[in-house]
Amino acid sequence: GQSLEQPSEVTAVEGAIVQINCTYQTSGFYGLSWYQQHDGGAPTFLSYNALDGLEETGRFSSFLSRSDSYGYLLLQELQMKDSASYFCAANTGFQKLVFGTGTRLLVSP
Amino acid sequence: EAQVTQNPRYLITVTGKKLTVTCSQNMNHEYMSWYRQDPGLGLRQIYYSMNVEVTDKGDVPEGYKVSRKEKRNFPLILESPSPNQTSLYFCASSRGGSGANVLTFGAGSRLTVL
Repeated sequence: GQSLEQPSEVTAVEGAIVQINCTYQTSGFYGLSWYQQHDGGAPTFLSYNALDGLEETGRFSSFLSRSDSYGYLLLQELQMKDSASYFCAANTGFQKLVFGTGTRLLVSP
Repeated sequence: EAQVTQNPRYLITVTGKKLTVTCSQNMNHEYMSWYRQDPGLGLRQIYYSMNVEVTDKGDVPEGYKVSRKEKRNFPLILESPSPNQTSLYFCASSRGGSGANVLTFGAGSRLTVL
C-alpha cells in the first residue's frame, strides 16, 4: 500500500526551531507538499518540493530527498500561532494525493 | 475573494437518505478534489477531477459519486449514506501546470449519518 509516516506529536517552546519528518512509501512519486491545519480550520498550503533539496519560505523551509524517500518541514522562530497540525502529502501522479496522518505541534511560552 | 465554498457546513442525516455536498470555486481552477478527514487517519482522497467531465477515483471512493459538469462546481453525492461515512469532508481546488500542487481547501463539511 501507500503510506506516509510522520510523528504524531511534537512539542517546542516559542523562539525555538522544530523539524517535522515525513517518510513515504508510494507506488509513484512526483513531489511532496506540506499543509498546516489549525483546530477547526481547513488545511492551508505551506510548501511543495518536486526536486531534492531545500525550499525556503520565510520562517518555514521544506526539504526532500527522493533517494531516501524522506522529507521534512523546518519551522524557525516558533510562535504560539504555529501550534497546529502539519500534514505531508505525496503527489503520486495526476493529482492523486496521499496524505500523512499529521503531526500535532504544540508551542509553549 | 478567491475561495472554495462548500455547503452545507454541518449536516445530520439518516442512513439511506441521499445527500449532496456542493463545492464551488471562483478561481477558474482546473483541478478539484474531495477528501474526508477522520481522527488518526489524516486526509484521504475520495475523488478528483482534472477538468470538466474528467473525474477519477482516489483512495476511498466507495459509496460516493461525483460529477464535473462545469469548471467551477464539483458536487459530492452520497446515494445511500451509511454511518461509516460520518466524517469531516473537504473540497479542494488547484490550478493546472506548476500550480497543480498548491491546493486551496474549502472550510469543510461535517457530516453525521445516524
